[in-house]
Amino acid sequence: AQSVTQLGSHVSVSEGALVLLRCNYSSSVPPYLFWYVQYPNQGLQLLLKYTSAATLVKGINGFEAEFKKSETSFHLTKPSAHMSDAAEYFCAVSSYYGGSQGNLIFGKGTKLSVKP
Amino acid sequence: DVKVTQSSRYLVKRTGEKVFLECVQDMDHENMFWYRQDPGLGLRLIYFSYDVKMKEKGDIPEGYSVSREKKERFSLILESASTNQTSMYLCASRDGNQPQHFGDGTRLSIL
Repeated sequence: AQSVTQLGSHVSVSEGALVLLRCNYSSSVPPYLFWYVQYPNQGLQLLLKYTSAATLVKGINGFEAEFKKSETSFHLTKPSAHMSDAAEYFCAVSSYYGGSQGNLIFGKGTKLSVKP
Repeated sequence: DVKVTQSSRYLVKRTGEKVFLECVQDMDHENMFWYRQDPGLGLRLIYFSYDVKMKEKGDIPEGYSVSREKKERFSLILESASTNQTSMYLCASRDGNQPQHFGDGTRLSIL
């Protein structure tokens, strides 16, 4: 079975500050891990993905995430927050093996606010 | 670029009505999904489909059914709408083991 825990349903940072959104996963098989972003009244957009290649993954809009197997974590970071980063972020896990195991399991989401 | 189109952005229906939510993808993806999104609960999988005329239940299928008569179209059906089905509904598609692509969502209100 797989699961995802996102620590903190709301995170607030100042513009220019570091963004850190936490995600821990549980998986009995090699995981694929994803971060999606959702802007108000829109669907989900893929930020980045880990699929068993490099453990440090770079995504769009300056975001990156590091896969740490020993800590079962996949935290999302961005060195300097911008007002346009305000959105809801979802971490998700699926199985390397595809099929029904390839379905995404989502965390409950973290809303990021950016203060001027 | 993959395009997943949901037929309505906003929909208001009455209790007991039969409601159809339509989703079309333009990339010949085999896999399609319906989720509902509620505050504090994240996304929960309702149904998914790996091929035409094929469907499997997700985590919360009660009160819903689906139809996939053509590869590009995946419909979600609320047989008899109830107020607890007021939610945001998201459709997604996927090719093989690639990431899912999402539509913009349908915000459904049941009065």
